[in-house]
Amino acid sequence: EDQVTQSPEALRLQEGESSSLNCSYTVSGLRGLFWYRQDPGKGPEFLFTLYSAGEEKEKERLKATLTKKESFLHITAPKPEDSATYLCAVAPSSGYNKLIFGAGTRLAVHP
Amino acid sequence: ETGVTQSPTHLIKTRGQQVTLRCSSQSGHNTVSWYQQALGQGPQFIFQYYREEENGRGNFPPRFSGLQFPNYSSELNVNALELDDSALYLCASSRGGDTQYFGPGTRLTVL
Repeated sequence: EDQVTQSPEALRLQEGESSSLNCSYTVSGLRGLFWYRQDPGKGPEFLFTLYSAGEEKEKERLKATLTKKESFLHITAPKPEDSATYLCAVAPSSGYNKLIFGAGTRLAVHP
Repeated sequence: ETGVTQSPTHLIKTRGQQVTLRCSSQSGHNTVSWYQQALGQGPQFIFQYYREEENGRGNFPPRFSGLQFPNYSSELNVNALELDDSALYLCASSRGGDTQYFGPGTRLTVL
């Protein structure tokens, strides 16, 4: 069964304290792995798409990496405005383009 | 470029009633997917529409149904509402199998 597990469930950081979020996945074939940011009560905001092992994408203080079993979202020198829930999702390669999400990591960055 | 829009923003219904949620896809996108997100969880795939046909469905009962119109906008209908249907309903649009972009969601409360 296709499955996505994110860890930790919640993470509290001090401003400037770098860290990484983990996304482990099991899928029969991978069309793509996606990272989204979600603020409370709002829709997910697209961050990155990764397609193959070894691929990396960067945007401001965020960097996403992909291996055959997991993906990491590295946050460098975070600011309070980076506080949000970060969602990881996979799209299986077979059939239609549905996303299978993990439960997310709630990140709180304190000044 | 206009993003994905959803209406209404919030909705309160009582058990047994029916509800219709609406979604306008992003310009140039021909595929619409619907997700249900319970509090503290990741979004769960309901179904997907492409060229006005349902081309994939998650583990949701038949009382969840949908439509896609020629302009690619979409509706989600839920009959015989249950308390567990209370959730954030998210619409996402894409160009076929490409990255899905989400709307702001509709918060449904069933009393």
